[in-house]
Amino acid sequence: SAVISQKPSRDICQRGTSLTIQCQVDSQVTMMFWYRQQPGQSLTLIATANQGSEATYESGFVIDKFPISRPNLTFSTLTVSNMSPEDSSIYLCSVRQSGNQPQHFGDGTRLSIL
Amino acid sequence: GEDVEQSLFLSVREGDSSVINCTYTDSSSTYLYWYKQEPGAGLQLLTYIFSNMDMKQDQRLTVLLNKKDKHLSLRIADTQTGDSAIYLCAETISGSARQLNFGSGTQLTVLP
Repeated sequence: SAVISQKPSRDICQRGTSLTIQCQVDSQVTMMFWYRQQPGQSLTLIATANQGSEATYESGFVIDKFPISRPNLTFSTLTVSNMSPEDSSIYLCSVRQSGNQPQHFGDGTRLSIL
Repeated sequence: GEDVEQSLFLSVREGDSSVINCTYTDSSSTYLYWYKQEPGAGLQLLTYIFSNMDMKQDQRLTVLLNKKDKHLSLRIADTQTGDSAIYLCAETISGSARQLNFGSGTQLTVLP
């Protein structure tokens, strides 16, 4: 399966700032996704990162708050903008190599906002 | 979307079998997954089952699928302390991206 590297692994940020999370895969993948896991809760899909075009956002998530880039088939970034304490979560990158393959996850980015 | 349901907690003795249950929502799900999440780590794919199967066995893991009741279970034989973690069930959601809908996770605690 693909090896997924996420950076940073954790960060503590000030309210009102923005942080960009990187996801690097060691092989080309068809699909890349970004999830959020709030404390004590399960995973919620933020958006599907589309190569060369705008990401597809789920209900409740907007591009201004969570801009996403995917310049090629192995790399994507998620920015959490204008952060507030409610954004404190684990953010996870996930990939699927082709349509019928299972999804694999990175180790996540643990974000705390003061 | 609708909730994929799991029990929140399960405790077993080391060496016993663990059975983690999940009720999913989408009868047209093509794949159903079990992921393991250890403290401070991401999600590790444990196993998955295609919807046309009733059972899948992989070493100590056995997955049972009851499509009529939309019920999925994961049995871990000879449970070890290293199996202590959160286990998340996930279903594929109908649609082109085949997104995943996750349960809340079951915290498995293995007692010595």
